[in-house]
Amino acid sequence: RKEVEQDPGPFNVPEGATVAFNCTYSNSASQSFFWYRQDCRKEPKLLMSVYSSGNEDGRFTAQLNRASQYISLLIRDSKLSDSATYLCVVNLLGNEKLTFGTGTRLTIIP
Amino acid sequence: SQTIHQWPATLVQPVGSPLSLECTVEGTSNPNLYWYRQAAGRGLQLLFYSVGIGQISSEVPQNLSASRPQDRQFILSSKKLLLSDSGFYLCAWSGAGVSNQPQHFGDGTRLSIL
Repeated sequence: RKEVEQDPGPFNVPEGATVAFNCTYSNSASQSFFWYRQDCRKEPKLLMSVYSSGNEDGRFTAQLNRASQYISLLIRDSKLSDSATYLCVVNLLGNEKLTFGTGTRLTIIP
Repeated sequence: SQTIHQWPATLVQPVGSPLSLECTVEGTSNPNLYWYRQAAGRGLQLLFYSVGIGQISSEVPQNLSASRPQDRQFILSSKKLLLSDSGFYLCAWSGAGVSNQPQHFGDGTRLSIL
C-alpha cells in the first residue's frame, strides 16, 4: 500500500462549482499534513497546512480525519486559475522528509 | 524573507557527460535541503537530503551524488549522465530544528539527455 494515495483524476469542473479531493495515508504516526499545488511544468507551491481542527483560507478548506487516515481539500466557487495538480503531503513526527502523493489533476472549465 | 535559487532553468546534455546543478538559499541559517526528481507526468522522487554541512542522506541508488560545501548551498552532480537521468530536478528547503515544517521549492531545472 502506498504511503500517500490520491485519485489522479482528472477532475473537469465548471467554473463556479465546488470540488473536493481526498487523500489517504497509511502511517497512523503521521503528524503534519499539507496541500501543495503544482502548475504545469512548474515547481510545487505550498497551498495550505492542514490542522487537526480543520482550517480555511478564503475559498479553500482543508480537513483532517485521523480515525480514517485521510485529509481533504474543498475548493468553493472555483476559478479558472485553480486549474493545477494538487499534491497531498504527509510528514512523520520528527522526520525531516515529507511524503508526497502523486497528485490530483484539476481542470476548471469556462 | 527566505528565497531559494536554482540554476540553470533548462539544460540539454549528451549521454555520458558530467552534470552539476546548484541550489542556494538566502534568508535562513542551517536549513534542511533536498533534491527531488520528477519524471514527466509522475510524482516527486526524493533523491538526497541534508541536515547540515557535509551531511548527505541518499534515498535511492543511482549515478547521482550530492554535496553541501556551505550551509546554504546544495549541489547535485553526476560524472556520466544516463538517458534515464532526464527529468525535472527540484531543490527545496525547510527550517531546521523545528519538526514538521513544509518545504519550499526552487524553480527547478529541466534536464534533457540526448
